[in-house]
Amino acid sequence: QVQLQESGPGLVKPSETLSLTCAVSEYSITSVYYWGWIRQPPGKGLEWIGSIHHSGSTSYNPSLKSRVSISIDTSKNDFSLRLTSVTAADTAVYYCASQLYSTINHFDNWGQGALVTVSS
Amino acid sequence: QSVLTQPPSVSGAPGQRVTISCTGSSSNIGAGYDVNWYQQLPGTAPKLLIYGNRNRPSGVPDRFSGFKSGTSASLVITGLQAEHEADYYCQSYDNRVSGPVFGGGTRVTVL
Repeated sequence: QVQLQESGPGLVKPSETLSLTCAVSEYSITSVYYWGWIRQPPGKGLEWIGSIHHSGSTSYNPSLKSRVSISIDTSKNDFSLRLTSVTAADTAVYYCASQLYSTINHFDNWGQGALVTVSS
Repeated sequence: QSVLTQPPSVSGAPGQRVTISCTGSSSNIGAGYDVNWYQQLPGTAPKLLIYGNRNRPSGVPDRFSGFKSGTSASLVITGLQAEHEADYYCQSYDNRVSGPVFGGGTRVTVL
């Protein structure tokens, strides 16, 4: 069973960059999975941010593409999210999750989530 | 506004059956992409409930069933119990977004 754990600052100032890392355990990040980020604003629904494969292939939600970057560190078995020029609208719980074989498939394992608040 | 449309809430008495609908379009469900369902209990991360339209992961009871037809899908919960009070989300792939899309979520309340 893949275990995922998000980490990063819980408070980010407006216009700055949000950075989160997802540590993967009990499974190699260079396996058949795609690794994704999903967010959930307080009291609202889920929004896919983007996904990455260890080959370096990435895909991003068009609504966030200009501000998002996802990278992978195979030596640390983790992957990271960067979201630039944040505003209060980016306040959300950020989840990392895995998809088997393709971004077309379901998210079968989820981290517990990390609340990030954008405020001065 | 979510790409997939779900009712905001459904409710039922203990033991009853409830159905949650998920309506998409020709770029997602109607294009043949699978529908998946997640259960989110209060204060927790979403958990995979149904994948590939109608398959249950190990450990999910058979009181949860998924169906897909045309541009829509549905999740049925039979024998409703207090522990089923949660938010339920449908998810598919959209070829206009070129990525996963979610429904807005449905809050299930046990009366």
